[in-house]
Amino acid sequence: DTAVSQTPKYLVTQMGNDKSIKCEQNLGHDTMYWYKQDSKKFLKIMFSYNNKELIINETVPNRFSPKSPDKAHLNLHINSLELGDSAVYFCASSQVASADTQYFGPGTRLTVL
Amino acid sequence: SQQGEEDPQALSIQEGENATMNCSYKTSINNLQWYRQNSGRGLVHLILIRSNEREKHSGRLRVTLDTSKKSSSLLITASRAADTASYFCATALSGTYKYIFGTGTRLKVLA
Repeated sequence: DTAVSQTPKYLVTQMGNDKSIKCEQNLGHDTMYWYKQDSKKFLKIMFSYNNKELIINETVPNRFSPKSPDKAHLNLHINSLELGDSAVYFCASSQVASADTQYFGPGTRLTVL
Repeated sequence: SQQGEEDPQALSIQEGENATMNCSYKTSINNLQWYRQNSGRGLVHLILIRSNEREKHSGRLRVTLDTSKKSSSLLITASRAADTASYFCATALSGTYKYIFGTGTRLKVLA
């Protein structure tokens, strides 16, 4: 059973489109995260939710909007995609925010043409 | 500015040798963690060391933490080709919910 799953695994789209990435965890964790990994492998936190409440909101364009319908799901919606949004997006979860192991999903490789 | 800097950026060793990589950070932390990322995959947690701990072992891994120098090291003993991956340190900043990841060390173990 996959602990943290993301869909889709690959996403290729045109500039200006709107797209969503979904994440689900079956670990019973309270906290979920979205990270962006650029072409140089630098991993940067974007958002974090604890029990459906937003607790981290980094300096991210407001074209990016996270949504947590319940504590097992954290989706990422991106409006008006730009070339610079091309990256690998990772979802992660942990039992406790900032004091615990994070479990990562396999990533979604987004390519904006 | 970036919290975690890792050194070296890349490391190439022969199978059976030990690999050491270092991580430096800038502010107070709750804990520091090391993760491994195989090419095209997500990150896998290796070990967590809390700010009041100095050393931790897990199998062939040994992690040290020096909070006075704001640095940590990861030692992989008797390396194997399967250890080839990128290794990242992540610091949980005191008083926040944030994890900051380092720049990573790309380790290549030659068979």
